[in-house]
This record gives sequence, structure tokens and C-alpha cells, in this order.
Amino acid sequence: NAGVMQNPRHLVRRRGQEARLRCSPMKGHSHVYWYRQLPEEGLKFMVYLQKENIIDESGMPKERFSAEFPKEGPSILRIQQVVRGDSAAYFCASSPGHNYGYTFGSGTRLTVV
Amino acid sequence: KQEVTQIPAALSVPEGENLVLNCSFTDSAIYNLQWFRQDPGKGLTSLLLIQSSQREQTSGRLNASLDKSSGRSTLYIAASQPGDSATYLCAVRQGNTPLVFGKGTRLSVIA
Repeated sequence: NAGVMQNPRHLVRRRGQEARLRCSPMKGHSHVYWYRQLPEEGLKFMVYLQKENIIDESGMPKERFSAEFPKEGPSILRIQQVVRGDSAAYFCASSPGHNYGYTFGSGTRLTVV
Repeated sequence: KQEVTQIPAALSVPEGENLVLNCSFTDSAIYNLQWFRQDPGKGLTSLLLIQSSQREQTSGRLNASLDKSSGRSTLYIAASQPGDSATYLCAVRQGNTPLVFGKGTRLSVIA
């Protein structure tokens, strides 16, 4: 079991470009969560998805950010028209259900230049 | 709204010392509580998961306790080692809602 796989590990984008972050959950896990971590700050929840459904997006900025978890393939966090303030580490976690703990990926470190 | 607080924010101890990290949460109606470790520039590694019906969990030199009614959890690390140096994060879950994290305790174990 390869664990939660995130790619790329590092991503550099110029202001105004799009960033696509990918997350493949652990085998058997149908719940996916995205978190953002800014330097010297805690992890902030962004969005919670199950296959083909967004369950909770209360932590997502209203503009430029979107997420999906299609029937086939990884979950995608998409940031359009990136700005310097989007520079952060983005972590994905998965779990098999509500009673279980989370398993985190190694994160994608986004740098906007 | 659930809030999680971790005290102290940073801690430095000599090697071999036993230590306790504290976590408190404002809403005691939790589903479970999870302790993680994060090394600089790395992802999160799960250490211990305590369900709401449990009082404690142990793994090697780590012991986590949960007092749900008072909204507190502690992580006890026995015989600390330099390799234990990392940031320790506490997170709680309520029902169907995602984990809410504290800001962590940054631990340095000095050889």
C-alpha cells in the first residue's frame, strides 16, 4: 500500500497561471480532505470530498479555487490565476470513513513568483 | 465552532527526559482525537488515534490520554531522544466534520 500520493512535490507558478495539485488516496479510502498550511501557521481545512461529491467546502476561498474527486482517477485541487498569497504547502488526507483516523500525503509546496 | 489549543508552543528538553504535551478543545462532543508528528518541510505522520469512548492509547514510548468531559488530551513521551525533535499536532473530529487542528508544539530534544 503506497499510502496517500501527492504530486507534484514542488510546484512553481508565475502570478496569473493555473496550479493543479493531485492526490491519490490510500486504497480502500473513499474520503479525501485538502488542507493548506502557511508558514508558521496551523493546518487549515479547505474541502472534503467523496467520490464525485463535494461534502464540505466551507474552507475554500470563494473565487479561483475548485476541487474534484472523479469516479476514476485522483482528486484534483485547482487554483486559477494564482497570486503570491497562494504560496503554501497543500496537504491531502484520506480515510475509509468517519470512525477512522486520517492518513496524510507528503504535500505539494506551491511557490508563486 | 471547535477550537483546539496546544500548550506550550515550543519546548526544549535534554535527551532522556520524560515530557508531556498538552491539547485542549472547546467542544467536548468529539468523535475522536488524533496526534500527529510533522518534521520540517515534510508531511504529517499519524502517531495515535483515540476514539471518544477510549481513555488512552499507547505506542512504544508514546502514550496519549483523553479526558473528553474536560476537553483535554495529553501526549506523554518517555525517555526522549533527539530523533523525537519535530512539531506535534493535535486534531479533533466531530461527527461528519473534518479534523480541526491545533497550531502544534515544536519540540527540540537536545543531545
